[in-house]
Amino acid sequence: DIQMTQSPSSLSASVGDRVTITCRASQSITNNLNWYQQKPGKAPKLLIYGASMLHGGVPFRFSGSGSGTAFTLTITSLQPEDFATYYCQQSYSFPRTFGQGTKVEI
Amino acid sequence: QVQLVQSGAEVKEPGASVKVSCKPSGYTFTDYWLHWVRQAPGQGLEWMGWIDPNSGATSSAQKFQGRVTMTRDTSIGTTYLELTALRSDDTAVYYCARGVVITDSRLFDYWGQGTLVTVSS
Repeated sequence: DIQMTQSPSSLSASVGDRVTITCRASQSITNNLNWYQQKPGKAPKLLIYGASMLHGGVPFRFSGSGSGTAFTLTITSLQPEDFATYYCQQSYSFPRTFGQGTKVEI
Repeated sequence: QVQLVQSGAEVKEPGASVKVSCKPSGYTFTDYWLHWVRQAPGQGLEWMGWIDPNSGATSSAQKFQGRVTMTRDTSIGTTYLELTALRSDDTAVYYCARGVVITDSRLFDYWGQGTLVTVSS
């Protein structure tokens, strides 16, 4: 199975901050990397697919980059509604695997 | 609009089985695979398996093989996840999610609201 490791596990930030979350895969997954946002008590919501493609309706302050084994999710100018947990997920092979999550807190 | 509506919360005793349903709407039921993902309290996301509603073909993570069955009823456009021999560590919210392919990228674009399964004696 491909292991996905996110860092940091949590971070504190303020409205307007630039936030970067890193995700590493245990082997190359080319660009088969998705990012999801989850708020408490809610289902995950797709933000980024194919490592860098913004899903429809997602604000442009979210961006993704990387390929191979190293990926980043960047949120420029953090907004109040962005405080949530973020997960990366590889879609290169089965079983699909997720990172452990990064909680973005105030 | 696309929606995936899941069945309600369940409380089961250890050793019992549970069957969770997921009913998509807003698109042709047989056009997209459905995946099951679970989340234990305070924990991360764990992929369990997929079903092709068109053919009925399924595949599950090795961890769940022998305990999980995914089925569908095309007459009512509903998929089901059944988990047997429940243990306390099966307590989790179970999600169904639609799997799509966009320009060679595979992703989950719509999710059900989740079904809490509690395993307790």
